[in-house]
Amino acid sequence: AQSVTQLDSQVPVFEEAPVELRCNYSSSVSVYLFWYVQYPNQGLQLLLKYLSGSTLVKSINGFEAEFNKSQTSFHLRKPSVHISDTAEYFCAVSDAGGNEKLTFGTGTRLTIIP
Amino acid sequence: GAVVSQHPSRVICKSGTSVKIECRSLDFQATTMFWYRQFPKQSLMLMATSNEGSKATYEQGVEKDKFLINHASLTLSTLTVTSAHPEDSSFYICSANRALATDTQYFGPGTRLTVL
Repeated sequence: AQSVTQLDSQVPVFEEAPVELRCNYSSSVSVYLFWYVQYPNQGLQLLLKYLSGSTLVKSINGFEAEFNKSQTSFHLRKPSVHISDTAEYFCAVSDAGGNEKLTFGTGTRLTIIP
Repeated sequence: GAVVSQHPSRVICKSGTSVKIECRSLDFQATTMFWYRQFPKQSLMLMATSNEGSKATYEQGVEKDKFLINHASLTLSTLTVTSAHPEDSSFYICSANRALATDTQYFGPGTRLTVL
């Protein structure tokens, strides 16, 4: 069985400050890792993903995440946040061996303070 | 690409009635679609996995007779909440993955169900 831990349920950050949203996972098999963002009353949008290759993956809006196998982490970072980044962020994991089911963390609410 | 739509976006119904929610992949063929339920301020819980042309696989604790899933084509899956009760009120979200790239799920915008 897999599990995902997002320790921070809420993260308030001042505008233009850096942010890190933490994600740790546990799995007995190789994994794919994902970050999804959910804006109020909307579904989830894929932010970025790690499937294989380079452990550092980036999104088009300035977020990046690094897969760290030894620490079983996939933390999400952005060097300078914007008001529009206010949303709920979910980390998720799936089995790289073909089981497509996603296991989600409990989410982190990122609030940007003007 | 990889757009998933849901209809309706919001529905309010009386207790005891049935509600059908549609999930469509608009620009790709989806071999597998997933249905999730999300309670306020909580994460998504997988309810079932549906493959085109076969019976859905339900997660433990999800009543298959209450949440009927039909995956009639490679672009459409439906979830019917039968004999809905107030405790079924929730945000229902579907997702789909591409036929030739099953590693990533693309999510619909969700359906807010309120049962009075």
